[in-house]
Amino acid sequence: GNSVTQMEGPVTLSEEAFLTINCTYTATGYPSLFWYVQYPGEGLQLLLKATKADDKGSNKGFEATYRKETTSFHLEKGSVQVSDSAVYFCALSTGNQFYFGTGTSLTVIP
Amino acid sequence: EAGVVQSPRYKIIEKKQPVAFWCNPISGHNTLYWYRQNLGQGPELLIRYENEEAVDDSQLPKDRFSAERLKGVDSTLKIQPAELGDSAVYLCASSSTRQGAYEQYFGPGTRLTVT
Repeated sequence: GNSVTQMEGPVTLSEEAFLTINCTYTATGYPSLFWYVQYPGEGLQLLLKATKADDKGSNKGFEATYRKETTSFHLEKGSVQVSDSAVYFCALSTGNQFYFGTGTSLTVIP
Repeated sequence: EAGVVQSPRYKIIEKKQPVAFWCNPISGHNTLYWYRQNLGQGPELLIRYENEEAVDDSQLPKDRFSAERLKGVDSTLKIQPAELGDSAVYLCASSSTRQGAYEQYFGPGTRLTVT
């Protein structure tokens, strides 16, 4: 079956630190991969996506590369800001079906 | 472009009472999803509509939950009667298969508290 496994949190970093949140997946076929971000009291917002192997999604300084050989889609950012504090969800889709990880809470302290 | 609209944003009810949530998807999006998100967890699919047809309701607790999407646009999710364990955030999302169905767009959610 299809599933997503995310690095467990919470993660606490100092401002300007390097961020990595690990995500691995299991899927049949060729899924699309996503990172969503959820700020307190809000719904999920799409952060970035990749639709095929070796694609790199990027947005707002965040990046993730679709690695088929390791079935991974790790989220990275070179220098985090306080405003990046949120919960991050890795997800995959096969057509219209979506599967989400459990989320990783990130807190960035000044 | 207006996003996915949900109402109410918050709801507090006593157990055994009924409750309903409303969702208006992004214009033109034919696929609509209802999710439940428990505290500290990811969204869990309750039901997925393609136009007005429910194509995946395998995770919907049908003894107390019901949903409808009349005319393939707005949707309503109902719980009757509510139980304490139904306290969660209910998220609506939409996507367009005409755009390859690669992205879902989420509403802000309805936070339900059952006392």
